[in-house]
Amino acid sequence: GAVVSQHPSWVICKSGTSVKIECRSLDFQATTMFWYRQFPKQSLMLMATSNEGSKATYEQGVEKDKFLINHASLTLSTLTVTSAHPEDSSFYICSAPPGGLSEQFFGPGTRLTVL
Amino acid sequence: KQEVTQIPAALSVPEGENLVLNCSFTDSAIYNLQWFRQDPGKGLTSLLLIQSSQREQTSGRLNASLDKSSGRSTLYIAASQPGDSATYLCAVTQGGSEKLVFGKGTKLTVNP
Repeated sequence: GAVVSQHPSWVICKSGTSVKIECRSLDFQATTMFWYRQFPKQSLMLMATSNEGSKATYEQGVEKDKFLINHASLTLSTLTVTSAHPEDSSFYICSAPPGGLSEQFFGPGTRLTVL
Repeated sequence: KQEVTQIPAALSVPEGENLVLNCSFTDSAIYNLQWFRQDPGKGLTSLLLIQSSQREQTSGRLNASLDKSSGRSTLYIAASQPGDSATYLCAVTQGGSEKLVFGKGTKLTVNP
């Protein structure tokens, strides 16, 4: 199957700092990528849809000024958590469909801990 | 609004047993349904994708069925092994959108 990578795999930061998470499609191009967050023992909740060359689409209740998304190329989307606080600590996962309404492939996730 | 439910929330079985995981969705107008596996602290691994026009898909010891009209899917695992222990998630997409709506998952433990 297609491969999606994320970097970093884990990060610990102080409250008030910003953290950037990268999502890359390694062997295919993705005009659309999705960002999810997952709290312990909970399922994945969609945060936003990242669109190459245009603005991201955010789900209801997700602050677009806090979670900045940039989809600068067909293989890279970045999520920046600005002014992070302890309640932002979570597992962030990205996904990408290789083309059309097809099977989606997920990155390995990034564990963010805000102290 | 689409809602996906998975039953049971947790399941513990002895090695070698055949088992069935259940997934139901409230809006039958789906485009496809996908089963995933998630190991603790890891991302998701795609297991099977069923298009809305299909009734089942098979991969090795896994078989997934889809009854779109009744809003249900099952994942059958044959001859379970300890390595199958993980959380299994099902998710659906609606027509015209690539967004996945997830269930909360079934945590499977296969005991040696």
